[in-house]
This record gives sequence, structure tokens and C-alpha cells, in this order.
Amino acid sequence: NAGVTQTPKFQVLKTGQSMTLQCAQDMNHNSMYWYRQDPGMGLRLIYYSASEGTTDKGEVPNGYNVSRLNKREFSLRLESAAPSQTSVYFCASSEVVRRANQPQHFGDGTRLSIL
Amino acid sequence: AQKITQTQPGMFVQEKEAVTLDCTYDTSDPSYGLFWYKQPSSGEMIFLIYQGSYDQQNATEGRYSLNFQKARKSANLVISASQLGDSAMYFCAMREGWAAGNKLTFGGGTRVLVKP
Repeated sequence: NAGVTQTPKFQVLKTGQSMTLQCAQDMNHNSMYWYRQDPGMGLRLIYYSASEGTTDKGEVPNGYNVSRLNKREFSLRLESAAPSQTSVYFCASSEVVRRANQPQHFGDGTRLSIL
Repeated sequence: AQKITQTQPGMFVQEKEAVTLDCTYDTSDPSYGLFWYKQPSSGEMIFLIYQGSYDQQNATEGRYSLNFQKARKSANLVISASQLGDSAMYFCAMREGWAAGNKLTFGGGTRVLVKP
């Protein structure tokens, strides 16, 4: 009963290092998302993939790239990490909006600190 | 302008009492959905309840209910008979329209602490 799995759970980077956050879902969902959550704040959308083969920018895409590797996997890459990217990163997935009440299902998050 | 506003940064509630968490939203799209999520201290995001813009009745899910006032653009979450396990952050989120992607915009959250 895995749902959405994110790896790693914790990571510390130095400024300028690169890193890829991995996300996989086993619910056969079409759409996947990456959010960041800064302390005391709500989630903000970084990038999303409405379906396999497509990706689009969200509210805060600068400094990030994404890859929808296949239907299951959606990765987030920081090419040159900056302290402002210290945050908790959440991956989510959902079915295509055929039913209005379709929620997004979230992974447990990746806590990323950049020194 | 903020699309989702949660004006209560934190609240205390006595165990077994009800608590109302405020959420106001701003959209010009007639088709939208409102979601509430719970985030306990362990960090995961748990879906609680949904209200659609065309729904005629307020949504209910167990001890959770929505006080949906469309004209006022508010969708307040009511938790009845609070339990210690309800202590968490609560986020209101909105999906606008039916375009592919089902993107959500989140409010800043309300922290609830249930006192025994």
C-alpha cells in the first residue's frame, strides 16, 4: 500500500551542488506534481506533469528542472543548489480530473537543507 | 491578491468541543473545487474533505464538515468533537477549472492544538 514514495527523506547539500529528488507512485495516476513548503507556510507548486510526456511550470519554477520518466516516476532536479531552496519538498499525484472530487495524494516529503 | 486566505494562524480548542477553521478564496472561474488537508507533526499531507462549486449541499465526512458560503467565497472547515489526534496544521486548497493538471493553490494554514 505504498501510494507516493519519495527518496531521499532527508538531504543536506552545499551551495552549488546538484541533486535529484525522486518520486514514484503506484496508483496508476496520470498527473504528478512537485511542491515546496517553507517553514510556517502552505505548499507552493514548482512543476507539474498533467500526463506522461508533458511538464509545465507552476508558481515557483526558477532553479528547478523536472523529468517525467514514465507514468510512475517524476523527478525534480536542483542544478545548482542555493540556500533559498532549503525547504520540504512534496511530490503528489492524482487521476485526471474526470471526477470533481479527485484529491491529490502526497508523499511523505523530502527535507532538504542547503548550507 | 491571495487566492486562498486562512486568517487564523493558530487556535486552541478544548477536547470534545467543535472548532471552525476559516478559509476564503478568490476566483473568477465558475468551476472550482475546494479541498482541506491535515498535516500532523509527522509531516504527511492527509486529504480530509472536498467541496465543489456546483455542489448543492455542504460536504460532510465523519467529524468533518464544510460550511460552504458561495456568495461570500468562504469554505470553512468544522471539526466536531475534537480529539487530541486532531492537533495539526490544516490547509485549505483550491483547484480552478477543469483544465488538465488539477493544480492546487494552498492557503497558509491554521495550526490547531487540542487541549485535554
